[in-house]
Amino acid sequence: EPEVTQTPSHQVTQMGQEVILRCVPISNHLYFYWYRQILGQKVEFLVSFYNNEISEKSEIFDDQFSVERPDGSNFTLKIRSTKLEDSAMYFCASSETKKQYFGPGTRLTVT
Amino acid sequence: SQELEQSPQSLIVQEGKNLTINCTSSKTLYGLYWYKQKYGEGLIFLMMLQKGGEEKSHEKITAKLDEKKQQSSLHITASQPSHAGIYLCGADGGANSKLTFGKGITLSVRP
Repeated sequence: EPEVTQTPSHQVTQMGQEVILRCVPISNHLYFYWYRQILGQKVEFLVSFYNNEISEKSEIFDDQFSVERPDGSNFTLKIRSTKLEDSAMYFCASSETKKQYFGPGTRLTVT
Repeated sequence: SQELEQSPQSLIVQEGKNLTINCTSSKTLYGLYWYKQKYGEGLIFLMMLQKGGEEKSHEKITAKLDEKKQQSSLHITASQPSHAGIYLCGADGGANSKLTFGKGITLSVRP
């Protein structure tokens, strides 16, 4: 079965630094999502993306966050100036119709 | 906003026993998804239920959607250690919309 892939699997960064998390969605999918999960907590929606623009975003997705589809395959999440509370697992998902396929996640640790 | 409550919070069963876990929504359910997660890892899709009364099975796992109760149940028959993990339910607000997740149920299966 096709898979969503994410890189890196683990990223450690210092507070205030910029990070870019990368995702390769399934090739024929048109809808893309980012979610995050702080350790021990719920999986929370961040943003959805369709037709090269954001279709929905949550309150968490503030000006520090941005998403981009720089080419035909990658989908990125950028955090401009990381905070300690950004430490979490970040999941990318993609869908063709309804079913969302999740990637394995990137564990972001902000020190 | 939609809230999903999962019960019980955690469950320990003896291998070979049957079990049922539940997911109750605060709002009308349009699509209900079950995912399984190993601690600190990605989400593995189990099943998607779209219509009231719908029931789906995969191997020893059966999920049902009760539209009137705004609830889904997931039943595992003859549990095995491989069933251990965190079971998450997620609900969408329509096609290609974000998923809202419950807190998850941690299942342990004793050999």
